[in-house]
This record gives sequence, structure tokens and C-alpha cells, in this order.
Amino acid sequence: DSGVTQTPKHLITATGQRVTLRCSPRSGDLSVYWYQQSLDQGLQFLIQYYNGEERAKGNILERFSAQQFPDLHSELNLSSLELGDSALYFCASSPRDSGNTIYFGEGSWLTVV
Amino acid sequence: SQQGEEDPQALSIQEGENATMNCSYKTSINNLQWYRQNSGRGLVHLILIRSNEREKHSGRLRVTLDTSKKSSSLLITASRAADTASYFCATALPTGGSYIPTFGRGTSLIVHP
Repeated sequence: DSGVTQTPKHLITATGQRVTLRCSPRSGDLSVYWYQQSLDQGLQFLIQYYNGEERAKGNILERFSAQQFPDLHSELNLSSLELGDSALYFCASSPRDSGNTIYFGEGSWLTVV
Repeated sequence: SQQGEEDPQALSIQEGENATMNCSYKTSINNLQWYRQNSGRGLVHLILIRSNEREKHSGRLRVTLDTSKKSSSLLITASRAADTASYFCATALPTGGSYIPTFGRGTSLIVHP
């Protein structure tokens, strides 16, 4: 158990809908990362927050947004969902802002039908 | 963009044999990490090797790093069926104001009992 908690574990939703994925980082970790894993794209970095502020942005679509709250949990919002958004979404956390080991949650499986 | 690329893409061996996976990367690094992912689960950190280290051991794992060739290898000795998983190398790419762990597509290892 990495200490990173993600909910929900699985969800199925229809195209055009909006979902929110939630992540609680390891106790004491200030940095949260979101990744998307799909068969065709591999593991893609989406966005990073550090102590409530956006720190780095990767291949995140404009339909997607995220935030990190004062208690350090984070949410990834996915809207206007398309079939191609079906993937495993991971949250990871680390104590500092960059450069070293990150700890992954078990992921949220999203299926868009 | 992919910073690290693992080779081979897939590896099938018998229990007790050694498994070697390679990783090549493109830019200079401070460290390189290896992670393991069981099917559909979160990635688990295995080992980190710094750029000034050439070899590192952890249990049955041996990692080497050759910065002149921009490559690393992960050796699993005396493999077990429980080692069946995908293995990823990760290097930290400068992204925005941070260094973000960036993953290759992984090597899928199957160990037959």
C-alpha cells in the first residue's frame, strides 16, 4: 500500500458527461501528479500541483482540469467525455516538488461508452 | 513525449532464469528510476540510481547506469512467477517549473512457473 488513495476505482459513463476523480496523497506529501495510462499512448503526464498551486502541465486536454485543496487532496475533472478518454487515471504524490521518487495510487478506471 | 524507452517490449522466461531489461533515454539526467506495475494496478517504485552511480543493488535487483551511452539496465536474478509484471524506467524531464518523472512504454515480463 503506497498510502495514496484514489476514488472511485471504476466508473462507467456516457459520452458528453463529466466526472471527477479524487486523490488523497500520502501523509505529508505536498506534491500531487496526475497521469493517464492507455494502451496506445502509454503513461502520459497530465498535471502537477505543489502545496495547492499548479506547478507543471503536460498533455492535459482543455476539457480536463484539476485542483489541489488546502488539505492537499486533489481532484481531476474530466468533461465532455469522449470514447478516447477511456483510460486508467493515476494520481501520484511525493514529499517535494520535483525530481525524485513518486508514489502511485491504484488508479481510477474510466470507461466512456 | 517519451524520454525513456524500454527494450525489449516483451520478455518471456522460465522461473529461475535471469531477466534483463534495458532503458535508453535522450537527455542528461540527475537520476533514473525503475518502477513495476502489476496488471491494472498502480506503479510501484523499485530503485533509484543517481547519475554519479554506475551500479546499484536491491535484493534480487541489479541496476546499472551508463550516462555516456544514456542507457540503464535492470536485471532480475532467479526470477519467480510473482515477478510477472510490466517494468518501466523513468527520468525527470524539466516541465514548467518542475522536473516530472517521465515514463517509457515498459517491458512486459512473463515468468512461467
